[in-house]
Amino acid sequence: DAGVTQSPTHLIKTRGQQVTLRCSPKSGHDTVSWYQQALGQGPQFIFQYYEEEERQRGNFPDRFSGHQFPNYSSELNVNALLLGDSALYLCASSFRPSGRRSTGANVLTFGAGSRLTVL
Amino acid sequence: DQQVKQNSPSLSVQEGRISILNCDYTNSMFDYFLWYKKYPAEGPTFLISISSIKDKNEDGRFTVFLNKSAKHLSLHIVPSQPGDSAVYFCAARRGLQTGANNLFFGTGTRLTVIP
Repeated sequence: DAGVTQSPTHLIKTRGQQVTLRCSPKSGHDTVSWYQQALGQGPQFIFQYYEEEERQRGNFPDRFSGHQFPNYSSELNVNALLLGDSALYLCASSFRPSGRRSTGANVLTFGAGSRLTVL
Repeated sequence: DQQVKQNSPSLSVQEGRISILNCDYTNSMFDYFLWYKKYPAEGPTFLISISSIKDKNEDGRFTVFLNKSAKHLSLHIVPSQPGDSAVYFCAARRGLQTGANNLFFGTGTRLTVIP
């Protein structure tokens, strides 16, 4: 059973460029979240997609945008790259239980990440 | 604003001894707490969690303790094994009544278990 897969694993861009990162969720999962992990920091929530819509968003500028496709896979796009965007970008998937309340831990399954370096 | 804090960046423990990793939080709206473990070149993997209505949860060698009044939780690993060497992240989730279920992570503690 494949877990969460992300591509590319590494990439280098220059300031001002745009980047697209891709994520395939774990089989059976329908919700995709993206996190940014800067060096020496913990993962920070960017946004979450469910039913092809952005459902929640963290404190990130509009340069960060995303998309979810009917097969639940997702893309993260970052425009006008800054040096400070250099980080490990983690995709996490989960299953959204029916109804408003979760029955337990919000256990996210993470991919290995895409390491972005902005020069 | 770091709402989840892990003040010890690293910890070294002898094999067979107890490892205690600590985590503090500031947001009283957090209702669920999780620990993730991360090996190099891999994504974080879920280890253990605890609801705010409990003060202890145990799973094999791993036990998480929650002190709500102190806004503090800890992860105990007994006995520690070399394969436990990894970075451990504490994470918290706000109550679902807030409409959000994203996780807030600490900065991590690197555990090294010495054979």
